[in-house]
Amino acid sequence: GESVGLHLPTLSVQEGDNSIINCAYSNSASDYFIWYKQESGKGPQFIIDIRSNMDKRQGQRVTVLLNKTVKHLSLQIAATQPGDSAVYFCAENRAGGGNKLTFGTGTQLKVEL
Amino acid sequence: NAGVTQTPKFQVLKTGQSMTLQCAQDMNHNSMYWYRQDPGMGLRLIYYSASEGTTDKGEVPNGYNVSRLNKREFSLRLESAAPSQTSVYFCASRPEASNYGYTFGSGTRLTVV
Repeated sequence: GESVGLHLPTLSVQEGDNSIINCAYSNSASDYFIWYKQESGKGPQFIIDIRSNMDKRQGQRVTVLLNKTVKHLSLQIAATQPGDSAVYFCAENRAGGGNKLTFGTGTQLKVEL
Repeated sequence: NAGVTQTPKFQVLKTGQSMTLQCAQDMNHNSMYWYRQDPGMGLRLIYYSASEGTTDKGEVPNGYNVSRLNKREFSLRLESAAPSQTSVYFCASRPEASNYGYTFGSGTRLTVV
């Protein structure tokens, strides 16, 4: 069935390295994508979004890349810090989907000192 | 701005008891949502309200009811709690436009014994 999925459930990186978290989506009608960060015991927090008419968007230390040809989304975090340790979710907005987001299952990012 | 406020933060219920989870947002958002989050399963939509006066079932509505009391408030009720409803519950809100993300509350951790 249609889904938003993540390639890796856990990603471990060294402090200072760059992190890349990947997400596959299967609905070609999705028009908007978001990355959320969820720290332990807290609700998900918005990190960055991208619309389907864009390939790349940059924020502060984060970049989201969208490849519509292969239906792939990635989140790049530069110079990963201990405070980046969290679960990261991608979400897609499916056009005509009733103003609801569909979430992936999440990737746990662990930053090693 | 408080954003999305959920109460209570923690609750323990006995099987068969009822309770209402409260959610309020002060951002004048039209759409509101209730999700549950279980380990390894990501966020699953229980019910949502696209606008004041409307509610719709999500992916896992059984055992729950909702009330969109006004534009600010969206409550989730468990009429007869079951151990399978042990979870973390998140409320979220969103502007009507579909090119915005959700704002989440901090969650309610519910345990049913």
